[in-house]
Amino acid sequence: EVVLTQSPGSLSLSPGEGATLSCRASQSVDSYLAWYQQKPGQAPRLLIYDGSSRAPGIPARFSGSGSGTDFTLTISSLEPEDFAVYYCQQRTHWPRTFGQGTKVEIK
Amino acid sequence: EVQLLESGGGLVQPGGSLRLSCAVSGLTFSSHGMSWVRQAPGKGLEWVSVISCCDGNTKYADSVKGRFTISRDNSKNMLYLQMSSLRVEDTAVYFCAKNFLGFAFYFDYWGQGTLVTVSS
Repeated sequence: EVVLTQSPGSLSLSPGEGATLSCRASQSVDSYLAWYQQKPGQAPRLLIYDGSSRAPGIPARFSGSGSGTDFTLTISSLEPEDFAVYYCQQRTHWPRTFGQGTKVEIK
Repeated sequence: EVQLLESGGGLVQPGGSLRLSCAVSGLTFSSHGMSWVRQAPGKGLEWVSVISCCDGNTKYADSVKGRFTISRDNSKNMLYLQMSSLRVEDTAVYFCAKNFLGFAFYFDYWGQGTLVTVSS
């Protein structure tokens, strides 16, 4: 199965700062990678799909890039509601797999 | 408004069975593939199973293959997960999720989850 490794494990930042999250796949997933945001006690929310396409209703401060094995989620300027755990997920290979998550914490 | 509402979770002994349900509203249920995704306490997300909209095509994670069965009733807008031979490691919050763009490509609508605890 495709292993997705996210880094860093956690990130401590202040509102207004930018965040860069990484997801590395153990084999190529082409551009078929998504990013989700999950807050405590809530279901995940789809942010980005196909590497760089924003899901409906997602603010422009969220952007995705990458292809093959290396992907990045960038949050240009953190809002208070952005502090959460972020997961990547690939849809190229079976089984569908998720990364272990990156926690973005308030500094 | 799209809503997914899971039910059926609870405490079950190892080796036992449980059936989860997911009631879907606010969309044309019969047009969309559906999946189950689980999350063990304090852990990450694990895709479990998918069923297509219309032809009954299904897939499972290796960890549940042969023990879990996904099904749906398009006349009732319901998704199910029949779980048997449950193990302690199946303890998790189980989310139902609508497939986005294709057969378990991505997941754009999720329920709030139902907790399954496997313990003696």
